Amino acid sequence: GQQVMQIPQYQHVQEGEDFTTYCNSSTTLSNIQWYKQRPGGHPVFLIQLVKSGEVKKQKRLTFQFGEAKKNSSLHITATQTTDVGTYFCAGLTTTSGTYKYIFGTGTRLKVLA
Amino acid sequence: ETGVTQSPTHLIKTRGQQVTLRCSSQSGHNTVSWYQQALGQGPQFIFQYYREEENGRGNFPPRFSGLQFPNYSSELNVNALELDDSALYLCASSYTPLGFATDTQYFGPGTRLTVL
Repeated sequence: GQQVMQIPQYQHVQEGEDFTTYCNSSTTLSNIQWYKQRPGGHPVFLIQLVKSGEVKKQKRLTFQFGEAKKNSSLHITATQTTDVGTYFCAGLTTTSGTYKYIFGTGTRLKVLA
Repeated sequence: ETGVTQSPTHLIKTRGQQVTLRCSSQSGHNTVSWYQQALGQGPQFIFQYYREEENGRGNFPPRFSGLQFPNYSSELNVNALELDDSALYLCASSYTPLGFATDTQYFGPGTRLTVL
């Protein structure tokens, strides 16, 4: 079946270090969304990428969508303790006119002060 | 806050029972999706409703069913509960122009279901 894998599963960084999580889909995606979920909370939308090769930036966060629309990455520059949480990608697939979001397995980020 | 509300917050049921979870969408949104999130896992897509019709479904058995009402609020029904149904159930609302699911999903706080 369709799968979206994320690596790494866990990442511990010192505050100020950079962090990257990678998302890989077994199928081509219509678009990809990124979410952040704090412990005990619900996923919060960060960004959506639609076009092949698209790159978007939000302050210290940089998001990329691969040329083949099967992979994506999120890079955080100079992490802060407020960046702690689990980052999920969610790829949109379409089959016979119906839509399905497949969430990745998530990367749990811990930032050490 | 997203404006998406869910009820109840927590629920405890026993195996074999039935449960109904409710979700109120953010104002102006016409699409609701339901997800199941087991502890330590990513959300798993159950199904999506657009203008009261199901237009997407994940790999969940028919005992998971749903409804969307004219005011775009929604229900998730699960029959014959199993122990593995214990999870956080999240609904997400979005505005979908012309039925294409391309917009931001706003998640509610979730309902924590425990099946004993």
